[in-house]
Amino acid sequence: AQRVTQPEKLLSVFKGAPVELKCNYSYSGSPELFWYVQYSRQRLQLLLRHISRESIKGFTADLNKGETSFHLKKPFAQEEDSAMYYCALLESSYKLIFGSGTRLLVRP
Amino acid sequence: DGGITQSPKYLFRKEGQNVTLSCEQNLNHDAMYWYRQDPGQGLRLIYYSQIVNDFQKGDIAEGYSVSREKKESFPLTVTSAQKNPTAFYLCASSAGNQPQHFGDGTRLSIL
Repeated sequence: AQRVTQPEKLLSVFKGAPVELKCNYSYSGSPELFWYVQYSRQRLQLLLRHISRESIKGFTADLNKGETSFHLKKPFAQEEDSAMYYCALLESSYKLIFGSGTRLLVRP
Repeated sequence: DGGITQSPKYLFRKEGQNVTLSCEQNLNHDAMYWYRQDPGQGLRLIYYSQIVNDFQKGDIAEGYSVSREKKESFPLTVTSAQKNPTAFYLCASSAGNQPQHFGDGTRLSIL
């Protein structure tokens, strides 16, 4: 069955440190993957999608089909990056499968 | 920002009562979705609708019902058959295979 795994419930780093939020998936076809972010008191919003191959707010994510991973990375974390991050897999044209989420806490 | 409006923000349900959560969008999106968010479990799909007057069950549809009479609206009813309704409910919409846009959510609690 298709699934998305985010192994870390909480990731705590100091400001300026590198960040990597892990995401692994299982999918039989060609995956389309997303990272969504939910800042405190804000709605869930799209951060980036792998087909865009862009960097948003300094974050990047590379699809590694061999390792079935789509880890989210940022070289220097900022306090405003503190939020809940969800990795998601597009199972069909419309259906998204979400991971359980990782809370990122960036300490000053 | 607008786009998707969920109401109310907070809702309380008594035993044996059905409650309806509202979701309206002005993005002209064909597809709409309802998710349930529980701590430590991420988002789980309850129902989705690709076009008006059509909808499909998601992974956890039992105890819920929906309707899609208008493109802009996709209300979710939490019935008395749903034994553990306390959760945060998120509505989303999308155009074709574009990324989904989410509302602010409704928190449902049991009295």
